[in-house]
Amino acid sequence: GQQLNQSPQSMFIQEGEDVSMNCTSSSIFNTWLWYKQDPGEGPVLLIALYKAGELTSNGRLTAQFGITRKDSFLNISASIPSDVGIYFCAGPGNQFYFGTGTSLTVIP
Amino acid sequence: KAGVTQTPRYLIKTRGQQVTLSCSPISGHRSVSWYQQTPGQGLQFLFEYFSETQRNKGNFPGRFSGRQFSNSRSEMNVSTLELGDSALYLCASSPGQYMSSGNTIYFGEGSWLTVV
Repeated sequence: GQQLNQSPQSMFIQEGEDVSMNCTSSSIFNTWLWYKQDPGEGPVLLIALYKAGELTSNGRLTAQFGITRKDSFLNISASIPSDVGIYFCAGPGNQFYFGTGTSLTVIP
Repeated sequence: KAGVTQTPRYLIKTRGQQVTLSCSPISGHRSVSWYQQTPGQGLQFLFEYFSETQRNKGNFPGRFSGRQFSNSRSEMNVSTLELGDSALYLCASSPGQYMSSGNTIYFGEGSWLTVV
C-alpha cells in the first residue's frame, strides 16, 4: 500500500537542540497526524492537523499542515532525553497510511 | 476516558498453532483497525471494522481474520502460525470511518506475538 515518505530516517542530537522532520505524500490528505512510539509500546498521538496551512503546538512540539496538503512538518524544540523514540506521520485515505518513521536519539 | 485495551500483552506460540487477540476500543468509538508492526516492514494495515462490518482489508493471507462485535470490541485471529508472524500487533480505534475528514485514530499498547 501507499507509504508516506518521511525524513530523516534517524537523528542523533545533543540535549537542548531543536529537531525537524517532515513527511511527504504523492496524494492529498485532509488530515495529518503525528505519533511517537517508545520501544515495545503502542504509538501515542502527539498532534493532529485538520486544515491546510494549520500550525499547531503541543508543548515543545509544533507541527504544520503543508499548503499543498501533500506534506507536513514536525518540530521539537529544546530536546530532552525522554524525547527518544520513533516519530511517524499518518494520514487517512481508504485506510490509514503511515510514514516510515524517524528514529530520534538524544545524547545527554 | 479509558484508552484502547489489548489483550494479551505478550504471548508465545508454536508454529502451526492459532492465536486470537482481543481489542476493546475507546468508549463510543465504532471503528477498529488492526496493524502488524515488524522492524523491517513498519506498520502494515491488516483490516478495519466499522459497525461489525469489515470495511477494508490489507494485503495479508487468509490466515489472518478478524471480527467486530456489537459492542465494538474486536478480535483478530491468525491460524497456522508461521515464524514470520512474530510481530507487534496493534489495534486502533476511531470515532468514525477512515474516509471521514478529521478522523483520528488512537492505538492500544499492542500484543507481542512470538512464534517459535
